[in-house]
Amino acid sequence: EVQLVESGGGLVQPGGSLRLSCAASGFTFSSYDMHWVRQATGKGLEWVSAIGTAGDTYYPGSVKGRFTISRENAKNSLYLQMNSLRAGDTAVYYCAREGVGATGFDYWGQGTLVTVSS
Amino acid sequence: SYELTQPPSVSVSPGQTARITCSGDALPKQYAYWYQQKPGQAPVLVIYKDSERPSGIPERFSGSSSGTTVTLTISGVQAEDEADYYCQSADSSGTRVFGTGTKVTVL
Repeated sequence: EVQLVESGGGLVQPGGSLRLSCAASGFTFSSYDMHWVRQATGKGLEWVSAIGTAGDTYYPGSVKGRFTISRENAKNSLYLQMNSLRAGDTAVYYCAREGVGATGFDYWGQGTLVTVSS
Repeated sequence: SYELTQPPSVSVSPGQTARITCSGDALPKQYAYWYQQKPGQAPVLVIYKDSERPSGIPERFSGSSSGTTVTLTISGVQAEDEADYYCQSADSSGTRVFGTGTKVTVL
């Protein structure tokens, strides 16, 4: 059974840093592109970052230069290093697997809440 | 930045058909995906590559594409289909984007 379990969320002050983790199981982690998607309370989904099987990374302008996505295939783990955090980064952060052959985000974790506040 | 536009809400009676549109300039060149999200839950993929249905998704969910607009159709709507629905696509650089979201209310 495919499982994605996020951790590392919490309360952080503006300007601070936080590292999220996503533990993957039930599939060959190294063979899949992985993503982070966030959702502020009562708002829509926002794509945050992606990492390909070759380690290539992608970001939207809203987080580029502040967030870094990485993966450790030996540990079946995905990470998101978030620096220079702002109140607008407050959201539930989901990790998601992208199916092989552009079949969409076929599995999602349950999310971890990040709150940026003083 | 690239945007995908959806209507904020759609209301439909049980057994009727709900259609949710998603508009974006790159949609003629990029695949679209649809996700269903119920309160307090993670999103679930219901349509991929414009019109393909993942295993386990009921046949009443279908997708179509025409020019710069893609459409999610729910035929014979059931009470359990009440949820938020998001389209998703990409631009030529690999950046992904989600639509603004549509709340489907079953009357």
